[in-house]
Amino acid sequence: AQTVTQSQPEMSVQEAETVTLSCTYDTSESDYYLFWYKQPPSRQMILVIRQEAYKQQNATENRFSVNFQKAAKSFSLKISDSQLGDAAMYFCAYIRGSQGNLIFGKGTKLSVKP
Amino acid sequence: EPEVTQTPSHQVTQMGQEVILRCVPISNHLYFYWYRQILGQKVEFLVSFYNNEISEKSEIFDDQFSVERPDGSNFTLKIRSTKLEDSAMYFCASSPDRIGANVLTFGAGSRLTVL
Repeated sequence: AQTVTQSQPEMSVQEAETVTLSCTYDTSESDYYLFWYKQPPSRQMILVIRQEAYKQQNATENRFSVNFQKAAKSFSLKISDSQLGDAAMYFCAYIRGSQGNLIFGKGTKLSVKP
Repeated sequence: EPEVTQTPSHQVTQMGQEVILRCVPISNHLYFYWYRQILGQKVEFLVSFYNNEISEKSEIFDDQFSVERPDGSNFTLKIRSTKLEDSAMYFCASSPDRIGANVLTFGAGSRLTVL
């Protein structure tokens, strides 16, 4: 069975600094997708970034980038120039290419200090 | 930007009562989903729905749960007889096609409190 593990329950970063959130996953599939979702206090799930497993190039979205290590089954999220609005729960998620349900990790609570 | 709309935002109910949570997916999306998040825990898949039938469901989605698309725009989750452990945030989501290549868009969630 596929699993997603986020080993950091909480992280803290100074405003304008860089922080990396860790995620590892377990799968025997070759076709899959990985996601990072942000959940602010409003509780809405917001897509931050997506990575296709068949792509070697790491996805980037403005201040957000990933380090995708397929062999190690690692998918970390780097937030550069952290802002107060980045404070939220961050969930790593996996989906098998042919299957329609996301598998989430337990989340990492990110605090941003002014 | 198109969004998934959920109502109510918060519902409080007595144990044993029936609850219906409503969702309006993005209009051109074909796949619909319900996920659940018990407070402090991870988000869990409940059910996916396509072409007016359930395409996949988790072990959480037992006989107490049902989904329906009654009128071509709403997508509802019904809990027949609520239990205390049903207290959670329920998220509706939709996608234009099977997700992966397509992104899943979530609603803001419906918080259910069972007393």
